[in-house]
Amino acid sequence: DTEVTQTPKHLVMGMTNKKSLKCEQHMGHRAMYWYKQKAKKPPELMFVYSYEKLSINESVPSRFSPECPNSSLLNLHLHALQPEDSALYLCASSPLMGQAIYEQYFGPGTRLTVT
Amino acid sequence: RKEVEQDPGPFNVPEGATVAFNCTYSNSASQSFFWYRQDCRKEPKLLMSVYSSGNEDGRFTAQLNRASQYISLLIRDSKLSDSATYLCVVKWGQNFVFGPGTRLSVLP
Repeated sequence: DTEVTQTPKHLVMGMTNKKSLKCEQHMGHRAMYWYKQKAKKPPELMFVYSYEKLSINESVPSRFSPECPNSSLLNLHLHALQPEDSALYLCASSPLMGQAIYEQYFGPGTRLTVT
Repeated sequence: RKEVEQDPGPFNVPEGATVAFNCTYSNSASQSFFWYRQDCRKEPKLLMSVYSSGNEDGRFTAQLNRASQYISLLIRDSKLSDSATYLCVVKWGQNFVFGPGTRLSVLP
């Protein structure tokens, strides 16, 4: 089973709203990622968690706040977003053996529209 | 210079054709290499990892040239279902860097 699940599938929010995106995997992967993907562009890395600790933050604005409550779950809290933040948000996970990382598996994404 | 570059595409080929995708990367410390495919409005899916000795999976063959920092993907006997965007992905440290992708359309 190489399944990563994400909820919700679609989200429409206003610029003053607070919402959260959720990601879950039960493959025992200890590396988890958030990506943002705009139309006709490749995914752009936002955050990496390794062993439930934030290891990479690609200079993401503070209106995006990640959280990793346990080894299976990854959240992305959203607050005061801008219309240009509308995109597909992808979660991924990867096995992590020591510091070696293997291939990533992606969830289906949350399509976010900020109005 | 972008960290990972790919053929700009799109590639439009007839069914049964052989098509090759090229990818170059700038970071010589890169450790692992992958090809993903992404269908429209779907998530990327792992197609194959790329090993130093080259590897084959059915109609798909991947090659790596570390000296030239070059990766390739060959698709033989292309099918309509191969139509997708092909993404070259390079890993260094904990960072996976995606190329811009090459769009393939296989035509009947």
